[in-house]
Amino acid sequence: DAKTTQPNSMESNEEEPVHLPCNHSTISGTDYIHWYRQLPSQGPEYVIHGLTSNVNNRMASLAIAEDRKSSTLILHRATLRDAAVYYCILSPPFQGAQKLVFGQGTRLTINP
Amino acid sequence: GAGVSQSPRYKVAKRGQDVALRCDPISGHVSLFWYQQALGQGPEFLTYFQNEAQLDKSGLPSDRFFAERPEGSVSTLKIQRTQQEDSAVYLCASSLERTTNEKLFFGSGTQLSVL
Repeated sequence: DAKTTQPNSMESNEEEPVHLPCNHSTISGTDYIHWYRQLPSQGPEYVIHGLTSNVNNRMASLAIAEDRKSSTLILHRATLRDAAVYYCILSPPFQGAQKLVFGQGTRLTINP
Repeated sequence: GAGVSQSPRYKVAKRGQDVALRCDPISGHVSLFWYQQALGQGPEFLTYFQNEAQLDKSGLPSDRFFAERPEGSVSTLKIQRTQQEDSAVYLCASSLERTTNEKLFFGSGTQLSVL
């Protein structure tokens, strides 16, 4: 499985934008890029996913580099509730199961 | 609520005891996954069901771990003769279909402590 590299931790201030980077230099042409987040004492929660084009939803935006070797999750206006561990995951082509392989993720701290 | 439900929320077991962890997926979801999450680590895949069929159990750490989903809905993860290294949060997830980009819905997990 292609691997991802994320910073262990990041810190930001409330109501400011947050850019969470992810490197995936060995990504294959058909791998999807998924982002999940895990709030304290909860299971992971889907945030967003994409293949080649940038994606937006009500939670966040996903910016994918043209060569697809990196991506950035953008929280446009962070709130205290966004404090969580954020996981960047590559999903290989369908082989009968979507078995997500989680790494260590980035622990995001939001300062009031 | 309509989310994935797991019970019990917390389980304390004595070493050597058998435990059973339950997962109620979202109604109608075809795929069901079990993950194990050690303290400070990301979740690790254990096993996957498509309806009642267990299609992948490559992540089960030993033959003491057994999962079933007999009617294609509720699933049970059983751990026999628990050991201290089994202490972790056990997460269940479900998804509607089995396509590559289908998002997973996770429960809050069962925190297992083996003394």
